[in-house]
Amino acid sequence: AQSVTQPDIHITVSEGASLELRCNYSYGATPYLFWYVQSPGQGLQLLLKYFSGDTLVQGIKGFEAEFKRSQSSFNLRKPSVHWSDAAEYFCAVGEATGANNLFFGTGTRLTVIP
Amino acid sequence: NAGVTQTPKFRILKIGQSMTLQCTQDMNHNYMYWYRQDPGMGLKLIYYSVGAGITDKGEVPNGYNVSRSTTEDFPLRLELAAPSQTSVYFCASSTTRGEKLFFGSGTQLSVL
Repeated sequence: AQSVTQPDIHITVSEGASLELRCNYSYGATPYLFWYVQSPGQGLQLLLKYFSGDTLVQGIKGFEAEFKRSQSSFNLRKPSVHWSDAAEYFCAVGEATGANNLFFGTGTRLTVIP
Repeated sequence: NAGVTQTPKFRILKIGQSMTLQCTQDMNHNYMYWYRQDPGMGLKLIYYSVGAGITDKGEVPNGYNVSRSTTEDFPLRLELAAPSQTSVYFCASSTTRGEKLFFGSGTQLSVL
């Protein structure tokens, strides 16, 4: 069965520091992989997605993620965090064929301190 | 552009009451979805639709019903509200399967 694990519930970083949010997935076939961000009281917004091709994916707001098939991982990175990046981040895996479900991880809450 | 619009934003129901959560999108997207988000959990798919007149169950459909009479609208119906349905509900749409989801701002529902 498909599943997504985000092992870090809450991460705190200083503004200007680098960031890496972990995501591991379980999926039998070729997955679609996504990172979404949710600001308080808002819906989710897509940061980036991976379908195929180059395993390093660039997204909006300076984020990038790397797909590593051997590790079943899709970690999100940013070289220098801004205070406005404080939010909840969700990794999701979808099916390349078949049904239309996206499986979301439980999220990582990012706090940015001055 | 409005995108995906959900109403109401907040609602309190008594056990056994019914209500409909409204969702409309103005992007002419074929695919629409209803998710629920419980505290500390990821989003769970309730129902989805791939076009007008076509709906299907997601992971957690029990206690809910949907309809899709037009491309724009995808209402979610709770017939007999239960405390377990206390959650934040998100409607989303996309152009096709696997593509970017556009989310509404959510409906916070409490069943007491």
